[in-house]
Amino acid sequence: QVQLVESGGGVVQPGRSLRLSCAASGFTFSSYGMHWVRQAPGKGLEWVAVISYDGGNKYYVDSVKGRFTISRDNSKNTLYLQMNSLRAEDTAVYYCAKGGSSGWNIWFGPWGQGTLVTVSS
Amino acid sequence: DIVMTQSPDSLAVSLGERATINCKSSQSVLYSSNNKNYLAWYQQKPGQPPKLLIYWASTRESGVPDRFSGSGSATDFTLTISSLQAEDVAVYYCQQYYSPSYTFGQGTKLEIK
Repeated sequence: QVQLVESGGGVVQPGRSLRLSCAASGFTFSSYGMHWVRQAPGKGLEWVAVISYDGGNKYYVDSVKGRFTISRDNSKNTLYLQMNSLRAEDTAVYYCAKGGSSGWNIWFGPWGQGTLVTVSS
Repeated sequence: DIVMTQSPDSLAVSLGERATINCKSSQSVLYSSNNKNYLAWYQQKPGQPPKLLIYWASTRESGVPDRFSGSGSATDFTLTISSLQAEDVAVYYCQQYYSPSYTFGQGTKLEIK
């Protein structure tokens, strides 16, 4: 069955960097777009970034453009999120999610269990 | 960006009764070329990641109980739970995937009355 396991979260000071990983298994990783979605403590869901199945196309929510970079290594079945210049408002649980197909305009599912990022001095 | 607005913010329903959650988009998410609504519903139980329930506004994901149904078109959508079970206590989110901003509604918290 599909499994997505995030890692790399932790406590980091404002302005510093962190890289999240999402290890995928149970499906042909290289055939699907992949997403990062975050959820601040006690808040709703916010989509963060998407990468196409081949890594050739990427989109970001405005609040992270220029600071976060989504990437993937299809040989390792792994999705990444490089987060630079972190701010307190980036504090959240970060989920990776599989796109429903290779296309852009598709639902998300399933989701990983998430990894908590806390930005605090 | 497309803004998704859910109502109500919270809802308390008796076991076995019907629960209805509404979702309104700021612009149509109906793609005219294929007549499909680019709208999904997710369920998030406490301490768990979201789970896909419905896509294309009304197609149930495999394994989702048939008491869950989705309806609506263009800008107005509804998630209905026909007979509420205790395990349905959760926060429910709608999401548009018409544009690559993939915006979510603010969530509706469903509780037992």
